[in-house]
Amino acid sequence: DTAVSQTPKYLVTQMGNDKSIKCEQNLGHDTMYWYKQDSKKFLKIMFSYNNKELIINETVPNRFSPKSPDKAHLNLHINSLELGDSAVYFCASSGTGTGYTFGSGTRLTVV
Amino acid sequence: AQSVTQLDSHVSVSEGTPVLLRCNYSSSYSPSLFWYVQHPNKGLQLLLKYTSAATLVKGINGFEAEFKKSETSFHLTKPSAHMSDAAEYFCVVSDSRNLIFGKGTKLSVKP
Repeated sequence: DTAVSQTPKYLVTQMGNDKSIKCEQNLGHDTMYWYKQDSKKFLKIMFSYNNKELIINETVPNRFSPKSPDKAHLNLHINSLELGDSAVYFCASSGTGTGYTFGSGTRLTVV
Repeated sequence: AQSVTQLDSHVSVSEGTPVLLRCNYSSSYSPSLFWYVQHPNKGLQLLLKYTSAATLVKGINGFEAEFKKSETSFHLTKPSAHMSDAAEYFCVVSDSRNLIFGKGTKLSVKP
């Protein structure tokens, strides 16, 4: 009955690989987000989707591509991984009049 | 543009003493403000939120925050710290499209 679930929780991969992180919410929220937390704990928005439509696309390398097959899912695909992509990635969702609910995070380590 | 500034990167208190984590905000209109907590290697948990209903907001685990428009502050307090309060705390403002995070304050609690 997890509200916002992300998989995998940990991801260790080599430079140059392509990987995906999945996110699903069962709260009926219309908007979903990806946030990146860097090594200094700073959290910043990357993308957001409202009902499958991209509404926020911050200055993120083109190697990052979000995909929302339906409003309950927002996946993050990363091509040609680099060392600097190592971070914790948080998925979140929100609805009208509700707060934000975060997933437990995916710790990505690029070696 | 909305922003928050957390005035201390690290606060250390003794168990049983009061906690004060300071946050100033910048907003062109009445803001929605939040405090989130992140325990080590865990996700983000909402402590409390201010949405203009009452200036003193009570949250979970004995935390509360007071919205002071004249000082543009939203400081987080707790009368008596527990060891389990040791974590990273984020002051956050909503800009209607997403959440904007402060840089975080690490709270250490000494026995």
